[in-house]
Amino acid sequence: GAGVSQSPRYKVTKRGQDVALRCDPISGHVSLYWYRQALGQGPEFLTYFNYEAQQDKSGLPNDRFSAERPEGSISTLTIQRTEQRDSAMYRCASSLAGELFFGEGSRLTVL
Amino acid sequence: AQRVTQPEKLLSVFKGAPVELKCNYSYSGSPELFWYVQYSRQRLQLLLRHISRESIKGFTADLNKGETSFHLKKPFAQEEDSAMYYCALIQGAQKLVFGQGTRLTINP
Repeated sequence: GAGVSQSPRYKVTKRGQDVALRCDPISGHVSLYWYRQALGQGPEFLTYFNYEAQQDKSGLPNDRFSAERPEGSISTLTIQRTEQRDSAMYRCASSLAGELFFGEGSRLTVL
Repeated sequence: AQRVTQPEKLLSVFKGAPVELKCNYSYSGSPELFWYVQYSRQRLQLLLRHISRESIKGFTADLNKGETSFHLKKPFAQEEDSAMYYCALIQGAQKLVFGQGTRLTINP
């Protein structure tokens, strides 16, 4: 596709369940980023990859959050044992020459 | 810690009036700053970056190191400028840090 693709667009889950959010970056983009955005706030950095290597995971809030990009293309952000405070928009972006290209986001609601 | 502050959550101006969206930053090194925009029902996208020194859609932003600011300006607002605007800076090699955003509304 022409842009960054994220799925699912909307996810409603019950507290305690695991969720996996997927990001398919623009072909050829080396860097891939995950951000979380709560209502009324700006995007908050979670982690990023260059190719398959996770370069910085300092923004992951706790060990329930993990991300991978095993073949240097598609990435998955996994949240284990979800809590209500995990409810947010999760944004993925891929990068070329410093400009981030964002997907439409995955809105997660934890009941 | 590096931080980006957008003091106005909401800004409303009339069509044809000048617009200024404020952004202040704290950064120990030489910053690289950006403005991103999200129009209704569209993706977050880059508007401009300070190193390119361009004017995009009539918007300009000048880096003022003395005041640690990177305000976004447009002399004559248009209705299609209504959107959410985020100021951001690069921290370290590649990590982009965003401000909280300003919702700009242009009234007809």
